[in-house]
Amino acid sequence: EAGVAQSPRYKIIEKRQSVAFWCNPISGHATLYWYQQILGQGPKLLIQFQNNGVVDDSQLPKDRFSAERLKGVDSTLKIQPAKLEDSAVYLCASSGFTGNTIYFGEGSWLTVV
Amino acid sequence: SQKIEQNSEALNIQEGKTATLTCNYTNYSPAYLQWYRQDPGRGPVFLLLIRENEKEKRKERLKVTFDTTLKQSLFHITASQPADSATYLCALGGDTGRRALTFGSGTRLQVQP
Repeated sequence: EAGVAQSPRYKIIEKRQSVAFWCNPISGHATLYWYQQILGQGPKLLIQFQNNGVVDDSQLPKDRFSAERLKGVDSTLKIQPAKLEDSAVYLCASSGFTGNTIYFGEGSWLTVV
Repeated sequence: SQKIEQNSEALNIQEGKTATLTCNYTNYSPAYLQWYRQDPGRGPVFLLLIRENEKEKRKERLKVTFDTTLKQSLFHITASQPADSATYLCALGGDTGRRALTFGSGTRLQVQP
């Protein structure tokens, strides 16, 4: 069974530039999550989708971050404009339903300089 | 506010000994608790789930306890091996049914040969 796929794996951008991350969850998983993990900290939820609807985006900085999950499968997370404090690993994860085991991708490493 | 605490200092033990990691939480009533392993540069990987009505769960060399009165979980690795060296994250979920997991900051375990 294929795992959660993410791209790009690494990205370096200058502050005020934009960046987009892509995620393809495990086939059949209805719930998709984007987490932000800053070095030395645990993952922090940014947004949770159930199929193509948003369940929780209370911790998403909506002035600069946006995410969508068209057709309830793939998802993209965009940051525009980026700030230095956005430097982190962006982890995509999926689960069969909320409350079940979460399967993470390898993450997209963002460095903002 | 809700808080999940894990030892921020690394735990160093000798091969063959039992490693015990602690997860404490406040202002939270989770329906379940999960433990994940994270290797450098990789996404977290699920290890064990324990529900609020369970006291103990085992899987091979791993054991988890969950005390909802003390608001604490202990994670044990018996007969530890250098390959067990990693960061271990606890995560709480299920307090509002649909909410995603909330993670602690993790404890780094180093097993010396």
